[in-house]
Amino acid sequence: AQSVAQPEDQVNVAEGNPLTVKCTYSVSGNPYLFWYVQYPNRGLQFLLKYITGDNLVKGSYGFEAEFNKSQTSFHLKKPSALVSDSALYFCAVRATGTASKLTFGTGTRLQVTL
Amino acid sequence: GAVVSQHPSWVICKSGTSVKIECRSLDFQATTMFWYRQFPKQSLMLMATSNEGSKATYEQGVEKDKFLINHASLTLSTLTVTSAHPEDSSFYICSAAELTGLNGNTIYFGEGSWLTVV
Repeated sequence: AQSVAQPEDQVNVAEGNPLTVKCTYSVSGNPYLFWYVQYPNRGLQFLLKYITGDNLVKGSYGFEAEFNKSQTSFHLKKPSALVSDSALYFCAVRATGTASKLTFGTGTRLQVTL
Repeated sequence: GAVVSQHPSWVICKSGTSVKIECRSLDFQATTMFWYRQFPKQSLMLMATSNEGSKATYEQGVEKDKFLINHASLTLSTLTVTSAHPEDSSFYICSAAELTGLNGNTIYFGEGSWLTVV
């Protein structure tokens, strides 16, 4: 069975500082990894994905994530946080050949303050 | 990116009635759509996988007779909550898989539907 762990319920960071939201995964075979963001009372917005190739993936709104196979991690990063980045972030994984069924982490709430 | 539209955004219904939620992929064809339920401050719980032209596949513990899913076309899936009860009140989110083209393997989500049963 595949699984995703987001060890932090909440991450607090000051605007302008770098941010990291952690994600580790477990899956049989090669993973497809995704990050989504959810604003209050809204659906999920796709940020970025890792399918294959370069381990550093760049996505929307200046976010990026690094795939680390040996550590089975896919941490989300941004060099300079904005207050508007405050939201709920979900990491998700699916194995190749599983007809697109995603497994989500429990989510990490990012709070960016002035 | 691809767009998934979900309607209605908010719905209030009386106990015992049924309510339908629509999920449409606006600019791509989705042979597979997914329905999730999200409780406050929790992650998404997959309810069922909807395949165009065939019966939906329900996750363990989800009542298929209560949550009716129809995927009649490549761009539309519907979730009908039958005989709704207050405990069915929740945030329901659909998603659609775009498996071809430049955005292959990406799943896009609708904006969600708040259901309140009174």
